[in-house]
Amino acid sequence: AQTVTQSQPEMSVQEAETVTLSCTYDTSESDYYLFWYKQPPSRQMILVIRQEAYKQQNATENRFSVNFQKAAKSFSLKISDSQLGDAAMYFCARGSQGNLIFGKGTKLSVKP
Amino acid sequence: DSGVTQTPKHLITATGQRVTLRCSPRSGDLSVYWYQQSLDQGLQFLIQYYNGEERAKGNILERFSAQQFPDLHSELNLSSLELGDSALYFCASSVRLAGGDTQYFGPGTRLTVL
Repeated sequence: AQTVTQSQPEMSVQEAETVTLSCTYDTSESDYYLFWYKQPPSRQMILVIRQEAYKQQNATENRFSVNFQKAAKSFSLKISDSQLGDAAMYFCARGSQGNLIFGKGTKLSVKP
Repeated sequence: DSGVTQTPKHLITATGQRVTLRCSPRSGDLSVYWYQQSLDQGLQFLIQYYNGEERAKGNILERFSAQQFPDLHSELNLSSLELGDSALYFCASSVRLAGGDTQYFGPGTRLTVL
């Protein structure tokens, strides 16, 4: 089975600090896409960042960046200058045949 | 606001009943996806439609069915409901059906089966 694994059920970060959320995946495809979604207490799923597997350059989106290691099948999310509003569940997902395969999620707490 | 709308926001019903969840995709999006989020199973893909045609099926029970109408809105029908069907049901849409297309999620419908 092609899976997405998030090994950290919960993480905590001090406001203004940096935190990295881990994700590994399994795939037999050579061309695929990876995503990080944020789910705040409102339960809305919000796209954080997207990475094309054929691109070596890591995607960045303001305070959010990824470390994409294709050979290791690793796709971690780094949040810089953490803010209270970053507190949420974060889901890593892989695009497959048009649908998304999600990890179990990491709950991020931000301490003031 | 993602531009994807779902109704109703909340639904409370009894075991054995049937319900219909509705989704309107973002303007211009041809693909609609349904996902189920439950505490024990996490986020799971159910089914995908593209321009009115079913294109992919995931872990969708036989008691569940869906369709996409000519105006591109979609409905997910859940029948013979069981307690375990209680979950948050998301609809998402994208322009195409390629694996790289960003999927934009609606706010979800929370289903409670009593």
